[in-house]
Amino acid sequence: EDKVVQSPLSLVVHEGDTVTLNCSYEVTNFRSLLWYKQEKKAPTFLFMLTSSGIEKKSGRLSSILDKKELFSILNITATQTGDSAIYLCALYNTNAGKSTFGDGTTLTVKP
Amino acid sequence: KAGVTQTPRYLIKTRGQQVTLSCSPISGHRSVSWYQQTPGQGLQFLFEYFSETQRNKGNFPGRFSGRQFSNSRSEMNVSTLELGDSALYLCASSLAEPYEQYFGPGTRLTVT
Repeated sequence: EDKVVQSPLSLVVHEGDTVTLNCSYEVTNFRSLLWYKQEKKAPTFLFMLTSSGIEKKSGRLSSILDKKELFSILNITATQTGDSAIYLCALYNTNAGKSTFGDGTTLTVKP
Repeated sequence: KAGVTQTPRYLIKTRGQQVTLSCSPISGHRSVSWYQQTPGQGLQFLFEYFSETQRNKGNFPGRFSGRQFSNSRSEMNVSTLELGDSALYLCASSLAEPYEQYFGPGTRLTVT
């Protein structure tokens, strides 16, 4: 069965800090790895990664995938209080046709 | 473009009752997936519909069912509600394959 493990489970930082969130996985038919940000309600899509070594970037957020070592990281630089959220990593399995989500990392950014 | 909408947003039911939740995907999106989110289990996949057909199903009992209409709108039904069904039910839509998904605000179901 596909497995997604995120670490750390929670993290508290101060504004301006840089954070790295980790996602490791086991999957039989990899198609893509996705990152979502969940604040109060629904997860919002951040990145989709399909190829190793290619960094995806959006403002202060960036992410990269390593398909050999089976992990991905999400970096957030110069954190702001608005970055406080649960960050979810998900793996899409082509054969199963579904996404498996990790438990998420709860990030709290203090002023 | 309007986002994914779900109705109702909040629902309180008693054990043994049944409930129907509704999801309208983003215009042009044909894949609709349903997830259950609880503090203990995280986000769990229920099922996915594409072109009115259930394409994939998660590991939930038969009390959980769904359907999709020709306009891609989807409904999810839970019969004989149990206390453990209390959760946030999220619907997500995508163009065709369910990987880059856009989530609705969810329906918070409380079973008493």
